[in-house]
Amino acid sequence: EDQVTQSPEALRLQEGESSSLNCSYTVSGLRGLFWYRQDPGKGPEFLFTLYSAGEEKEKERLKATLTKKESFLHITAPKPEDSATYLCAVQARYGGSQGNLIFGKGTKLSVKP
Amino acid sequence: NAGVTQTPKFQVLKTGQSMTLQCAQDMNHNSMYWYRQDPGMGLRLIYYSASEGTTDKGEVPNGYNVSRLNKREFSLRLESAAPSQTSVYFCASSGPGGNSPLHFGNGTRLTVT
Repeated sequence: EDQVTQSPEALRLQEGESSSLNCSYTVSGLRGLFWYRQDPGKGPEFLFTLYSAGEEKEKERLKATLTKKESFLHITAPKPEDSATYLCAVQARYGGSQGNLIFGKGTKLSVKP
Repeated sequence: NAGVTQTPKFQVLKTGQSMTLQCAQDMNHNSMYWYRQDPGMGLRLIYYSASEGTTDKGEVPNGYNVSRLNKREFSLRLESAAPSQTSVYFCASSGPGGNSPLHFGNGTRLTVT
């Protein structure tokens, strides 16, 4: 069964304190792995797509990496405005959920000034 | 830059009542989706429409119906609401290509009493 597990569920950081969020997945052939940011009361906002192991993508203080079993979202020197819930999703190439995104439960990040 | 627009933003129903959630996108996307988001769970796919005139069931379709009215609009109907359908509902759309990212609306918060 295709599955996505995100850890930790919640993470509290001080401003400037770098850390990483984890997304572990099992899927019938990975078509793509997606990272989204969700602010309270809003819909998820697309951040990155990763397609193959070894791939990396960056945007401001965020860097996403991918291996064959997991993805990391590294946050360098975070600011309070980076506080949000970060969602990971995978798209399977085969099987019953083929083509549709399977979401993890998210990691709620709080950055204190 | 409206993107994906959902109406209403909030709704309270009594058990057994019916309602339709509306969604429209202005990005000329072929594919549209309905998800629900519950506390402690990842986003779950209810129905999707790969193109105008087609609809398919997702992971949790029971109790819902959909209509792809035209390329822009995709509605979700609850014929007889139940308390288990209390949730936040998100509509999304995606562009061409099998692994294009989803663009989400800001959700409809539905409470069924």
